[in-house]
Amino acid sequence: SQQGEEDPQALSIQEGENATMNCSYKTSINNLQWYRQNSGRGLVHLILIRSNEREKHSGRLRVTLDTSKKSSSLLITASRAADTASYFCATDEREGGKLIFGQGTELSVKP
Amino acid sequence: SAVISQKPSRDICQRGTSLTIQCQVDSQVTMMFWYRQQPGQSLTLIATANQGSEATYESGFVIDKFPISRPNLTFSTLTVSNMSPEDSSIYLCSAWGGIRGNTIYFGEGSWLTVV
Repeated sequence: SQQGEEDPQALSIQEGENATMNCSYKTSINNLQWYRQNSGRGLVHLILIRSNEREKHSGRLRVTLDTSKKSSSLLITASRAADTASYFCATDEREGGKLIFGQGTELSVKP
Repeated sequence: SAVISQKPSRDICQRGTSLTIQCQVDSQVTMMFWYRQQPGQSLTLIATANQGSEATYESGFVIDKFPISRPNLTFSTLTVSNMSPEDSSIYLCSAWGGIRGNTIYFGEGSWLTVV
C-alpha cells in the first residue's frame, strides 16, 4: 500500500519559476528520499533527509521535513525545461532499502 | 556506467506466457527489491529478493505469479507468470547496502506490454 499523498498531482510552471511539491506519510520513518523519473523510466535519486534533520540542500533543490506533521516538501528553484519529470517521495521505516512511495507529482516546466 | 542494469528494457508479450526480467548490480549489495509501476501510478513493492532463500512478498503478491530468484549478492530475477493485460507495467529492481552504503539505487526498469 502507498505510504501517503503527494500534492499537487500535477504542476505546470514557466522556466525560471520555483516549483514546490509536498509529500505526506503515515508511519514513523527512518529516512525520506526524493526521486525523479523521466518518461516512465528508471528512478534518479535526488536527495535523502534523515528523520532527525529538518532541512537539506543540494544545488537547486531544497528539502524540508516536519516529522510532527509527517510531511516533507521539495523545492526546485529556478526551474528549467529539463526538470520536467515525475517526482516521488519515498520513506523507509528502518535501514535496509525497503521503500514506500508516495503518489508522485508530475512537473511540467515550459520554456 | 550504470550501477544496476535490467533486461529486457522493453518487451511485448502474449497473454498466457511468462517472462523473466534480470537485474544485475555492479557490486555486491545487501538487499535487492522488486517494484511494479502500473501505467500512470506510483511504485508498489512486490517483494524482497533474499539471497539463497525464498523471497519475502508484500500483501497482494504471491510466489506463483511472481517467482523471484537471487542466487548471489549481485543478481536477481523476477518472472511474471501467466501474463494478462493487467500485468502491463514497468518492473523495477532496486539495491541497497554493500560498498555503496545507504543510497538506494534503481534499475532503468523493464516496460512490459501484454497483448
